[in-house]
Amino acid sequence: DAGVTQSPTHLIKTRGQQVTLRCSPKSGHDTVSWYQQALGQGPQFIFQYYEEEERQRGNFPDRFSGHQFPNYSSELNVNALLLGDSALYLCASSLGAGGVRDEQYFGPGTRLTVT
Amino acid sequence: ILNVEQSPQSLHVQEGDSTNFTCSFPSSNFYALHWYRWETAKSPEALFVMTLNGDEKKKGRISATLNTKEGYSYLYIKGSQPEDSATYLCAFKGGTSYGKLTFGQGTILTVHP
Repeated sequence: DAGVTQSPTHLIKTRGQQVTLRCSPKSGHDTVSWYQQALGQGPQFIFQYYEEEERQRGNFPDRFSGHQFPNYSSELNVNALLLGDSALYLCASSLGAGGVRDEQYFGPGTRLTVT
Repeated sequence: ILNVEQSPQSLHVQEGDSTNFTCSFPSSNFYALHWYRWETAKSPEALFVMTLNGDEKKKGRISATLNTKEGYSYLYIKGSQPEDSATYLCAFKGGTSYGKLTFGQGTILTVHP
């Protein structure tokens, strides 16, 4: 049973460029959440996708957008990259759209460096 | 703005020592508290999901307690082993945060042989 997978593992981009990160959820999961972890901080919630729609969003600018496909995989897009976007981007999948006990299973992350 | 705080930020112990660390979270609008273990170069691994005041959970040598009225959770590791070295994260889910987890900054545990 494949867990959550993310691609690419590492990425280097230049300021002003655009980037797309990809996530495949754990088998049987239909909900994908994205988190950003900057150095020395805990992961920060970006948004969550369920049934191909963004159903909750954290405090991130519109430069951060996403998409969920019919097979439940998801993409995170960041436009007009800033140096401060350098971080580890984590994808988490879960079953259903939240609930008290839902466990979120995390992928290994994509390390984005903006120069 | 939700504040989830973990202490200490880092901890060095000797193999065989028992240790514990703290997660503080808002006491209002509580829904669930998650604990994760995150080893370097791996994915964060779920340890516990705690929902009820007074909850105690155990997984091998690791256990956790929950006090929702005062807004804290303790994670205990008994007889630490070098393979316990990792970052331990807690994450709060509030009643209105559908699916969203708010994480603390983590406690980095290093167990020396």
